[in-house]
Amino acid sequence: DSGVTQTPKHLITATGQRVTLRCSPRSGDLSVYWYQQSLDQGLQFLIQYYNGEERAKGNILERFSAQQFPDLHSELNLSSLELGDSALYFCASSERGGVNSPLHFGNGTRLTVT
Amino acid sequence: ILNVEQSPQSLHVQEGDSTNFTCSFPSSNFYALHWYRWETAKSPEALFVMTLNGDEKKKGRISATLNTKEGYSYLYIKGSQPEDSATYLCAFSGGGADGLTFGKGTHLIIQP
Repeated sequence: DSGVTQTPKHLITATGQRVTLRCSPRSGDLSVYWYQQSLDQGLQFLIQYYNGEERAKGNILERFSAQQFPDLHSELNLSSLELGDSALYFCASSERGGVNSPLHFGNGTRLTVT
Repeated sequence: ILNVEQSPQSLHVQEGDSTNFTCSFPSSNFYALHWYRWETAKSPEALFVMTLNGDEKKKGRISATLNTKEGYSYLYIKGSQPEDSATYLCAFSGGGADGLTFGKGTHLIIQP
């Protein structure tokens, strides 16, 4: 058990809808990363937060947004959903903001857009 | 977009044999290189974080080396066991605001 909690485990929704994915980092970790894994794709980096502030940004669509709250949990908001947004979304946390700390991954949220 | 390549894509190895695979990354602006093991139905688990050229790390039968000047890292598994079957991911950071970029992984199957 990595100590990172993601909810929900599964989410099925229709095109055009909006969903929120939630992540609680491992106790003591200040940084949260969001990754997307689509079919036949590797882990695509979306965004990183450190202690409430955005630290790094990857190929995150404008329809997607995220934030990290004072209690360090994070939410990833996906809006105007399209079929192609169906994927496994991982949250990972690390102790510090730099990339010389290992990432601890949650079990992911499987999003299906119909 | 950073290019992180892993080879081979998949690998079948006989139990007891040793094996290795490669992660290639941009040789400029190196900051860190990570290796993860991802077993089916689980989440990726960190193996190593390497930050210095020439770094060698070891964890049991698994070890890794790093060459930042030429932009590659090798992962070695000695005396493969069935429980080593997994996808092995590397991830590269060039620092800055690019985060950590993952390769697509090497899918390793150990045959009894």
